[in-house]
Amino acid sequence: QSALTQPASVSGSPGQSITISCTGTSSDVGGYNYVSWYQHHPDKGPRLLIYKVSNRPSGVSNRFSGSKSGNTASLTISGLQAEDEADYYCTSFTTGSTYYVFGTGTKVTVL
Amino acid sequence: EVQLVESGGGLVQPGGSLRLSCVGSGFIFSSYYMTWVRQAPGRGLEWVANIKSDGSEKSYADSVKGRFTISRDNARKSLYVQMNSLRAEDTAVYYCARHVDWAFDFWGRGTMVTVSS
Repeated sequence: QSALTQPASVSGSPGQSITISCTGTSSDVGGYNYVSWYQHHPDKGPRLLIYKVSNRPSGVSNRFSGSKSGNTASLTISGLQAEDEADYYCTSFTTGSTYYVFGTGTKVTVL
Repeated sequence: EVQLVESGGGLVQPGGSLRLSCVGSGFIFSSYYMTWVRQAPGRGLEWVANIKSDGSEKSYADSVKGRFTISRDNARKSLYVQMNSLRAEDTAVYYCARHVDWAFDFWGRGTMVTVSS
């Protein structure tokens, strides 16, 4: 099972908006609305930002939003802040023997 | 407050075994699926295994199938993974996470496993 494809890095200035893509196939991203997004700071456990494509858990800022079109899901961070600098991962439920596949990860840099 | 705390990591030789534990608090442990996810040095996250709330169903990534066994003790609010026939490529930080609504909503800080001679 191949990892979902994310850009290695994305950067933006404070206050700007950035979008991270997550490309899979019809067996994962395209086939199910079970895409979630995670923020991962070093030496911490990952934090859930978005589940089922576009739902935000309580406590997550509305600056984070998710969407999907075909085999590609996207995470948008608006009003970029210094604390948003972290690694971001998507994941999707998938058919086959491996139930979940993660993305390759994207390092977000706030300029 | 939901908390998950992993333990049991360390240095082990190739072919060896290790058992990781994860204790949950702040929620009804027995009501939730639980998951192990790992991150090798310099690599991304990789889903390892899932277990149903009552322990009756388990699933594994192909990379660990036949070598790792996930289990739980709801009375102790604990999740485990028994790792046998360890390989260098199993070197990683291992996280436990609560699994709900097709996502992993709370994670521990992880425990490091190093497989090396």
